[in-house]
Amino acid sequence: AQSVTQPDIHITVSEGASLELRCNYSYGATPYLFWYVQSPGQGLQLLLKYFSGDTLVQGIKGFEAEFKRSQSSFNLRKPSVHWSDAAEYFCAVGLNYGGSQGNLIFGKGTKLSVKP
Amino acid sequence: GAVVSQHPSWVICKSGTSVKIECRSLDFQATTMFWYRQFPKQSLMLMATSNEGSKATYEQGVEKDKFLINHASLTLSTLTVTSAHPEDSSFYICSAPTGGAGKLFFGSGTQLSVL
Repeated sequence: AQSVTQPDIHITVSEGASLELRCNYSYGATPYLFWYVQSPGQGLQLLLKYFSGDTLVQGIKGFEAEFKRSQSSFNLRKPSVHWSDAAEYFCAVGLNYGGSQGNLIFGKGTKLSVKP
Repeated sequence: GAVVSQHPSWVICKSGTSVKIECRSLDFQATTMFWYRQFPKQSLMLMATSNEGSKATYEQGVEKDKFLINHASLTLSTLTVTSAHPEDSSFYICSAPTGGAGKLFFGSGTQLSVL
């Protein structure tokens, strides 16, 4: 069965430090992979997505993610975290993307706290 | 970018009552909208796909008579939780696709608490 695992429920980093949020997936075919961010009181916002091609994907707000097929991973990274990055981050796998765009399987999320 | 408005943001109701949640695409037309449910500490789960002018498509295990979906126009989809019970308490969130692949915009969600 398809699944998405985000092993870290809560991460705290200092402002200016680097960040890596982990995401592993289980899916038989080539996955479509997404990272979303949800700030308090706001909707989910797409940070970046991977469909094919270059395995290092650049997103908004200075985030990037790298698809590693051999490790079934799609980790999210940022070189220097800002206080405004504090939010909950969700990794998702898109199923049969050519059909319904809504068939996303989400991980449970990682809450990011940023220390001054 | 595109905006999806969801209302209300939170609602508290008594057991047995029905609750309607609205999802509107503010600056684009959405022939399809999606409804998700998220329990605390768990993933977002797709409940159903709302199709303008036709019946919604429900995911396995989701009760059609419990969660009524109406997509009456190109900018509005509603989810009605009928005869709500405490176990229906959850965070419900809608989304709508627009533009190219991956362009999925989410509402801000509705926290439902059934007493």
